[in-house]
Amino acid sequence: DAGVTQSPTHLIKTRGQQVTLRCSPKSGHDTVSWYQQALGQGPQFIFQYYEEEERQRGNFPDRFSGHQFPNYSSELNVNALLLGDSALYLCASSWTSGGASYNEQFFGPGTRLTVL
Amino acid sequence: GESVGLHLPTLSVQEGDNSIINCAYSNSASDYFIWYKQESGKGPQFIIDIRSNMDKRQGQRVTVLLNKTVKHLSLQIAATQPGDSAVYFCAENGGPNFGNEKLTFGTGTRLTIIP
Repeated sequence: DAGVTQSPTHLIKTRGQQVTLRCSPKSGHDTVSWYQQALGQGPQFIFQYYEEEERQRGNFPDRFSGHQFPNYSSELNVNALLLGDSALYLCASSWTSGGASYNEQFFGPGTRLTVL
Repeated sequence: GESVGLHLPTLSVQEGDNSIINCAYSNSASDYFIWYKQESGKGPQFIIDIRSNMDKRQGQRVTVLLNKTVKHLSLQIAATQPGDSAVYFCAENGGPNFGNEKLTFGTGTRLTIIP
């Protein structure tokens, strides 16, 4: 059983460009969360998707957007890249058993984004 | 605002000894707390969690203690092994009934096990 997978592994972009990161959740999971982890810091919550809708959002600008597909996979899009967007982007999946989910989140290995 | 902080950024422990990693949280409304372990080049790995209606929870070689009075969380690792070397994060959910929907992570503590 594959865990959470993310693609690509590494990515280099220049300022002003746009990027799309992809995540496939663990089998049986229906909820996907995205986090940004700067070097030497803890992950920062970006947003969570459930039933193809954004359920919660952290303190990130509208340049950060996402999508969840019917197969529960998800994309994170970042527009107008800034140098400060350089970070490890983590995807985590879990399953929601009605209402709020207190189930374990499984993290993928992340996508390392470098903005030059 | 919401913030989760750690008392010590680094901790070195002799192999076989017990280790304690501490975490202070500021949002008294949080009702769910989790400890994660992150090894170099990998995503965080769930260790143990605890709900606010509990003070203590035990797993295999790990124990989490929650003191809601002083808003303090700790992770105890018994009989540490070289494989325990990693960065440890605590996380809180920021409010009742939020579940895991919007976790706030601390900055982490690097645990080094000395052989």
